[in-house]
Order: sequence, then C-alpha cells, then structure tokens
Amino acid sequence: GQQVMQIPQYQHVQEGEDFTTYCNSSTTLSNIQWYKQRPGGHPVFLIQLVKSGEVKKQKRLTFQFGEAKKNSSLHITATQTTDVGTYFCAGTTSGTYKYIFGTGTRLKVLA
Amino acid sequence: KAGVTQTPRYLIKTRGQQVTLSCSPISGHRSVSWYQQTPGQGLQFLFEYFSETQRNKGNFPGRFSGRQFSNSRSEMNVSTLELGDSALYLCASSPTETWAYNEQFFGPGTRLTVL
Repeated sequence: GQQVMQIPQYQHVQEGEDFTTYCNSSTTLSNIQWYKQRPGGHPVFLIQLVKSGEVKKQKRLTFQFGEAKKNSSLHITATQTTDVGTYFCAGTTSGTYKYIFGTGTRLKVLA
Repeated sequence: KAGVTQTPRYLIKTRGQQVTLSCSPISGHRSVSWYQQTPGQGLQFLFEYFSETQRNKGNFPGRFSGRQFSNSRSEMNVSTLELGDSALYLCASSPTETWAYNEQFFGPGTRLTVL
C-alpha cells in the first residue's frame, strides 16, 4: 500500500549540532506538511509545502519538498533542548487523495 | 479561542465492550478528523467529517465509526473492542473544507486501554 517512511527513526544529537529528517513517499504527494509532537503531547503543525522543489525557512528550521514531490526534508540548525520531540511529515497522495502520516523521527537533544 | 477538546482523556475498557469518544473542535471549525496513534503503527487516519458528512475514511474495520453533529462536535465509536485497539485517539479540527491542505489543530487525545 501507499507508505511514507521517515529516516532516521531515532536521532540523538548534542545541543548545538544540526539535525535532518527525511520523508520518503512511495507515491507522488500533492502537498507535504510537517508536525512536531513533544513527549506526552499532541502534534503541532509546523509548515506546509505544495510546490515541487519548494524551500521554506522558519528561524533555525529549513523545509524542502523534492522535485518529484515524493520526498521532503526538515533540517534543524544548531539544535536546542526545546527541539526535543517526534517530527512527522504528512501528505495527500496525488490522484487517490489519501492523507498519510510518515513514520516519524524521534529527536533527543543532549545538553 | 479555546483549543480542541477531547473527552474523556483516559479510558480503560475490556475486550468486547464498546466505547464512545468525544471531540469539540475550535469554534468556527467545521472539519474534524480522527487519528489512531500506536507505537507500532504510528499515526493513522481514521475518518474526516465536514458539515455532518463523512467525506474521507481510512483503512479501518467497520467497528470504527463516527459522526458529526450540527454544532461540529464529533464522536467516534469503537464496538467489540480488541486488545489491539489500545491507542491514543486524536482528533483534529480545521477551519476550511480543504482540511488536508490546511493546518490541522490537534486535541490532547484520549488514551484508550483495552484489557
């Protein structure tokens, strides 16, 4: 079936290091959204990308949508302890209009 | 504005029972969607309602059902509970009809444990 895989599944970084999570879909997506879920919390919307090759920045976070609209990445520069949580991508499959969440990447930041 | 609220926050049931979960969206939001979150399967889409109509459904058995009321509040029902139904059930609301292309606001979730 249609899947959206994220790598890595887990990532431990020292505070100040950079972090990247990758989102790979088996099918073309109309859009890609990114959410952050803190431990014990609920997903919180970060951003949406809709155009092929689109890049958006939010302070230390950089989001990219691949040219083929089948993958995306989230890069955090100089991580802080407040970045701890699980990052999910989500998107709508082109044609079949299924809304799918990625498998998530759990980030731990060591002070 | 108040956020999305879900009740109850925690629930313990036994196999074979049924359960009803409630979700109140942000005022003015007419789209409500439901998700199941488990450690093994991650976040999975259950269904979405807009103006009392179910418009999208995920790949879950018919034991999972829902409805939306005229005030946009939504309920989700699971009948004949199985151990594998233990999960965090999240609802989210969106202000527009094109819910999958807009920011979704999640509630705190209902933690269901099936014994």
